[in-house]
Parts: sequence; structure tokens; C-alpha cells
Amino acid sequence: AQSVTQPDIHITVSEGASLELRCNYSYGATPYLFWYVQSPGQGLQLLLKYFSGDTLVQGIKGFEAEFKRSQSSFNLRKPSVHWSDAAEYFCAVGPRSNDYKLSFGAGTTVTVRA
Amino acid sequence: NAGVTQTPKFQVLKTGQSMTLQCAQDMNHEYMSWYRQDPGMGLRLIHYSVGAGITDQGEVPNGYNVSRSTTEDFPLRLLSAAPSQTSVYFCATWIWQGRDYGYTFGSGTRLTVV
Repeated sequence: AQSVTQPDIHITVSEGASLELRCNYSYGATPYLFWYVQSPGQGLQLLLKYFSGDTLVQGIKGFEAEFKRSQSSFNLRKPSVHWSDAAEYFCAVGPRSNDYKLSFGAGTTVTVRA
Repeated sequence: NAGVTQTPKFQVLKTGQSMTLQCAQDMNHEYMSWYRQDPGMGLRLIHYSVGAGITDQGEVPNGYNVSRSTTEDFPLRLLSAAPSQTSVYFCATWIWQGRDYGYTFGSGTRLTVV
């Protein structure tokens, strides 16, 4: 069965510092991969996604993620964090087909301190 | 283009009451889903629909009913609310057309059952 692990429940980072959120998955084949962000009281917004091609994917709001097949990982990064990046981040994976049933990680909450 | 619209945004129910969470989309997407979000558990699939007249159960369907009479609407019914159904509920549509793939989420309904 497919599963997604986000090892860090909560991360605190200083404004201007770099951020890396980890995502590991267990899957029978290379899945397609997503990162979503949820600001307090809001819905989920797509940050970026990976299907094929370049394993370094650029997203919105200055985020990027790197797919590493050998490590079954899809870690999210941002070089310089802004206070508005305080939110909860979810990694999700799904099969390489028209199958809409994604598996979501439990989420990582990011706190940004001034 | 409103995307995915959920109503109400907040609701408090007493144990045993019934209610319907509304979800409407204007993107003409065939696939629609309902997820619930609980702390530390990410998003879990309740029910989904692959088109008008077709619905199926997800990971946590007990206590919920759905129907899909039109492409636009996908209501979620709680038949007899229980405190365990206190959660945030998200409706989402799914698209898979070439490079255009992924979920579009509504803004959520925060439900409290007392």
C-alpha cells in the first residue's frame, strides 16, 4: 500500500533563513508527487508537482522540490523564508494514471520567527 | 470562474442531528471528492465520484452519504452526527489532461459536533 511520511511535525525557522521540509513515500512505482500549502483557516493551495522530466521542480512563492528516486523522497525547499510562509505543508503522492485517490502526509507546520 | 465553492464555512451540530455540506464547481470536472482533515492525520478520503450518477466509498465512509445528480454539485450528508465527525471537510475536483493534472480544493467547512 502506498504511504507518505513527513517526519517533521513542526519546524520553526527565522525569517530570511532557509527551509527544507522532508517527504518520503512508499510506492510500488514512481508516483506523481505534489506539495500543498494551507494557511490558517484556508483551503489547500498547490505549490508544485512532479510527473516526469527535470527532477528539480520550481513552484510558486519561491519554493522548489527535488525528486530523488533512489531515496524515495520529494523534499521541499525555500532559500529565504518570509513571515507569510508560516503555514501547514502537505506532501501527497498518487499513481501514474488517471487515479484521483492521492495519499497525503500528516503535514508539517512551519512557524516563522522574526 | 469561482472554482470549488463550499458552504457553510462553519457549522455546529448537536449529536444526532443531520446536515448536508454543499459543494459546487464551475470547471466541468468529472471527478469530485470529499476529504476530512484531522490534526496529525493529513487528509483522508471519505467519498468520491467519477461523474454524474456514479459515487463510491473512500477510506473513511462510515456515517456519510453522497449523491451526484449533476456534474456541478456533490453534497455530503451526515445522517446522525457524532462527536467523532468533528473535523474540517474539504471538497475537491480532479483534472487529468496532459500536463494539467491535480486537485483543486474548496476553502473547507469546519464542523463541530457537541
